Amino acid sequence: QQQVKQSPQSLIVQKGGISIINCAYENTAFDYFPWYQQFPGKGPALLIAIRPDVSEKKEGRFTISFNKSAKQFSLHIMDSQPGDSATYFCAANFGNEKLTFGTGTRLTIIP
Amino acid sequence: DAGVTQSPTHLIKTRGQQVTLRCSPKSGHDTVSWYQQALGQGPQFIFQYYEEEERQRGNFPDRFSGHQFPNYSSELNVNALLLGDSALYLCASTLAGGSKNIQYFGAGTRLSVL
Repeated sequence: QQQVKQSPQSLIVQKGGISIINCAYENTAFDYFPWYQQFPGKGPALLIAIRPDVSEKKEGRFTISFNKSAKQFSLHIMDSQPGDSATYFCAANFGNEKLTFGTGTRLTIIP
Repeated sequence: DAGVTQSPTHLIKTRGQQVTLRCSPKSGHDTVSWYQQALGQGPQFIFQYYEEEERQRGNFPDRFSGHQFPNYSSELNVNALLLGDSALYLCASTLAGGSKNIQYFGAGTRLSVL
């Protein structure tokens, strides 16, 4: 019940396109859903996060869509740039409990 | 404002040895969590320390132990190293009782067991 499932495993998007990564969770106690961006050799960096009381959150080119009834959330990257090429992880937790991570999506933006 | 700092950056050990990894939390944070990230995988929770005590623990054997000091810094110790312990070890910090669940990660320690 602690799993967070993430897809796709890898994604190739043309520069200027929209990148979409999906996650699904099982534990309805989760109340915080962050997305982390990780570059090779670096630790995960918080990108954007959402709580289940809203259905969408937008920060610049990054948007989280949240569907509480379906227990799904997704990351949309608009106008994708080569600098967005990285591995993206969705995660979930409640309170200050441990983060449960998805398996990651390797995003490659091609010119 | 210093973020989460970890040392050393890289470490090479042989099977059966013991290793100690160190973490200093972000300024103002009092809770430290450790994660193991195998190559190509998402981080897996090892344990969390708050008020110098282990508050939560993931599915890791007793060979993995930790400590938190009065200044909130933390150590991760791994005994009797196995080849499978080779991974990136990440430290994350947060503020207990804060209004947000945000955990900030360090750059990690890359451990190679030969």
